[in-house]
Amino acid sequence: AQTVTQSQPEMSVQEAETVTLSCTYDTSENNYYLFWYKQPPSRQMILVIRQEAYKQQNATENRFSVNFQKAAKSFSLKISDSQLGDTAMYFCAFMNPGNQFYFGTGTSLTVIP
Amino acid sequence: EPEVTQTPSHQVTQMGQEVILRCVPISNHLYFYWYRQILGQKVEFLVSFYNNEISEKSEIFDDQFSVERPDGSNFTLKIRSTKLEDSAMYFCASRDRLAGSQETQYFGPGTRLLVL
Repeated sequence: AQTVTQSQPEMSVQEAETVTLSCTYDTSENNYYLFWYKQPPSRQMILVIRQEAYKQQNATENRFSVNFQKAAKSFSLKISDSQLGDTAMYFCAFMNPGNQFYFGTGTSLTVIP
Repeated sequence: EPEVTQTPSHQVTQMGQEVILRCVPISNHLYFYWYRQILGQKVEFLVSFYNNEISEKSEIFDDQFSVERPDGSNFTLKIRSTKLEDSAMYFCASRDRLAGSQETQYFGPGTRLLVL
């Protein structure tokens, strides 16, 4: 069974600073996909970034980047130049080849002005 | 930019009543999903749907739940006899099959269901 673990329930960061959210997962699959989703107070789930397990290069999307360590089964999200609008719950998610998603318990990020 | 939409945004119902949650996936998407998130907990997979049939379902998706795509645009989740523990936010998601993007699911804004 796949599990996704986010060990940081809450984090805070000063505006314009950098913050890293951690995520680890457990799977016996070799091909899979990893995602970070953002859930602002509106509760909508918004895709932030995704990573294909077969790609060694870390995904980047503007101020968001990941550190994907396949052997360690680690998938952390780095947010650079944090903005107030980044305040949200962040969920790490794993998708297996059967297209089933597994979510972590989330990290609540607060950006402090 | 196309979006997944869901109606209603909020639903309050009495225990034992039937509810239907509606979703309009992105128009060219072929795979559809329902998830739920109990307040303060993580998002849980309920069911996936493709080619007019369920492709996968979790243990949460018991006989009280059903899904349907009654026309070319809507994707519904029905709970036949609601229980208190069905109170949650329900998210619909869809994805397409275009190469390079087919793995990404796009989520709707959710329907907050409260069972009294």
